[in-house]
Amino acid sequence: QKEVEQNSGPLSVPEGAIASLNCTYSDRGSQSFFWYRQYSGKSPELIMSIYSNGDKEDGRFTAQLNKASQYVSLLIRDSQPSDSATYLCAVKRSGGGADGLTFGKGTHLIIQP
Amino acid sequence: NAGVTQTPKFQVLKTGQSMTLQCAQDMNHNSMYWYRQDPGMGLRLIYYSASEGTTDKGEVPNGYNVSRLNKREFSLRLESAAPSQTSVYFCASSPGGGATDTQYFGPGTRLTVL
Repeated sequence: QKEVEQNSGPLSVPEGAIASLNCTYSDRGSQSFFWYRQYSGKSPELIMSIYSNGDKEDGRFTAQLNKASQYVSLLIRDSQPSDSATYLCAVKRSGGGADGLTFGKGTHLIIQP
Repeated sequence: NAGVTQTPKFQVLKTGQSMTLQCAQDMNHNSMYWYRQDPGMGLRLIYYSASEGTTDKGEVPNGYNVSRLNKREFSLRLESAAPSQTSVYFCASSPGGGATDTQYFGPGTRLTVL
């Protein structure tokens, strides 16, 4: 059973601080990792994707991947109230097929003004 | 570009009724997916279509059928709705294949089965 685990939160972070979101996965053969943001009542929106070990930065967002530890994280710098949302970690299993993503249950992030 | 569109946005059914959820994409993507999202459960894959003419079961296919009508459209049918199928249904599409394949989601259909 492939699993993706996230702390459900809520994670409360002061405005301007760094928010750190974590995710672990069980399928050691997983190749691709995605972070989606979901506002209440809306659909998931892609924030970051990462495929190789290390860090990947895009604006205020940094994704970190450690395949040996089966761990992926998302850092949000200079957190803004508009970052308050649920963040979903998603994993694509190994292989080139289009066979869907396995999602974690999401972490609810609250940025306190 | 509208991206991924879904109809209807909201639907209320009685137990035993049938309905079809529609999904269309205008991004010329090869692959399309149906997920359901329940409180505290995350998104779970129901069915997917890697390319036009093919469909495969996902994690929770029981009670559902799908049709890949053409490259643009992928529908999800509930033949005899049950209260356990009350959920938010998301359609997604992706270019198709490869480790870097990225999925884009539609706005969702909120279904209540009484």
